[in-house]
Amino acid sequence: DAGVIQSPRHEVTEMGQEVTLRCKPISGHDYLFWYRQTMMRGLELLIYFNNNVPIDDSGMPEDRFSAKMPNASFSTLKIQPSEPRDSAVYFCASSSGTGSNTIYFGEGSWLTVV
Amino acid sequence: RKEVEQDPGPFNVPEGATVAFNCTYSNSASQSFFWYRQDCRKEPKLLMSVYSSGNEDGRFTAQLNRASQYISLLIRDSKLSDSATYLCVVTGGSYIPTFGRGTSLIVHP
Repeated sequence: DAGVIQSPRHEVTEMGQEVTLRCKPISGHDYLFWYRQTMMRGLELLIYFNNNVPIDDSGMPEDRFSAKMPNASFSTLKIQPSEPRDSAVYFCASSSGTGSNTIYFGEGSWLTVV
Repeated sequence: RKEVEQDPGPFNVPEGATVAFNCTYSNSASQSFFWYRQDCRKEPKLLMSVYSSGNEDGRFTAQLNRASQYISLLIRDSKLSDSATYLCVVTGGSYIPTFGRGTSLIVHP
């Protein structure tokens, strides 16, 4: 079975540009998470969805960040405008939300804003 | 107090050594516990779940102490390939996992 699929794997963009990160969760998983990881702050939960509905976006750093999940098989995380401090690895993850609660990560999108 | 706390390390051990990591959590209502492993420039991956009775998977043993609110991971006979960051994960009733910052392990020849 396919795991969580993210794109792009790597992106280098100039400050001020719009960045869109994409994620396809594991089929049948009801929960989708967006995380950001940096050396300084570790793994931070930005937002999560349950059945395509955003439940908690308190981790989204500021209004420049937005996330959508138009259907069960696709989500986007958008940064507009991007800033150098947004440089990080962005992970998408999904889980079934059942008793095991195992969360599966995509390979991440490595973002560099110059 | 942070929700999930880990000693960042690094733990630098020779091959064959036994090494143990602890992780403390603040929410006494936490229900599920896991250890994840993250290799350099890779995504975190589930290493093992942690059960109340403790559980073992080969060279790895995980234990839970609810009274003191900590979980532990013991690695016996360390291999070079065990070098990684080990993330403690705690989940409450909402199924939303909280990750620790991770403990770095370096196994040297």
